[in-house]
Amino acid sequence: DAGVTQSPTHLIKTRGQQVTLRCSPKSGHDTVSWYQQALGQGPQFIFQYYEEEERQRGNFPDRFSGHQFPNYSSELNVNALLLGDSALYLCASSTGTGPNEKLFFGSGTQLSVL
Amino acid sequence: AQSVTQPDIHITVSEGASLELRCNYSYGATPYLFWYVQSPGQGLQLLLKYFSGDTLVQGIKGFEAEFKRSQSSFNLRKPSVHWSDAAEYFCAVGGRLTGGGNKLTFGTGTQLKVEL
Repeated sequence: DAGVTQSPTHLIKTRGQQVTLRCSPKSGHDTVSWYQQALGQGPQFIFQYYEEEERQRGNFPDRFSGHQFPNYSSELNVNALLLGDSALYLCASSTGTGPNEKLFFGSGTQLSVL
Repeated sequence: AQSVTQPDIHITVSEGASLELRCNYSYGATPYLFWYVQSPGQGLQLLLKYFSGDTLVQGIKGFEAEFKRSQSSFNLRKPSVHWSDAAEYFCAVGGRLTGGGNKLTFGTGTQLKVEL
């Protein structure tokens, strides 16, 4: 049983470009969350997708957008990249909505903006 | 707003020694608390979680954590550290999202180095 898979593993972009990161959730999971982890920091919540809708977003600008597909996979899009967007982007999947839901994290996509 | 503080950025212990990583949280209601471990180039692996009940929680890899409401703390402990425990450790508090689901608020992490 594959866990959470993310692609690509590494990405280098230049300022002003756009990027798309992809996530396939663990089998049986219907909820996908995205987190940004800057160097030396803990992960920060970007947003969560459930039933193809954005459930809630953290404190991130509209340049960050996402999508969830009918098969529960998800994309994170970032437009007009800034140097400060360089970070490890983590995808987490889960199922259920109660407090006992357990998040499974992927290994992340390391984005470098030059 | 919920928040997590991990006061120790780096900790170095000798292999076989005991370990305690500190975590303090701020949350308005009964918190859901977690400890995760991250090895270089890897995602986050859940070590243990506290939702309710017994305040001493057992996790994987021999780790345990104790919830102390009066001190707003959830410290992680291990009686004897192995070299393979060297990694970054994150404490997190879970919060409910509008419309259901949960999000985690993480601390800034503690980097653990193990000396042989």
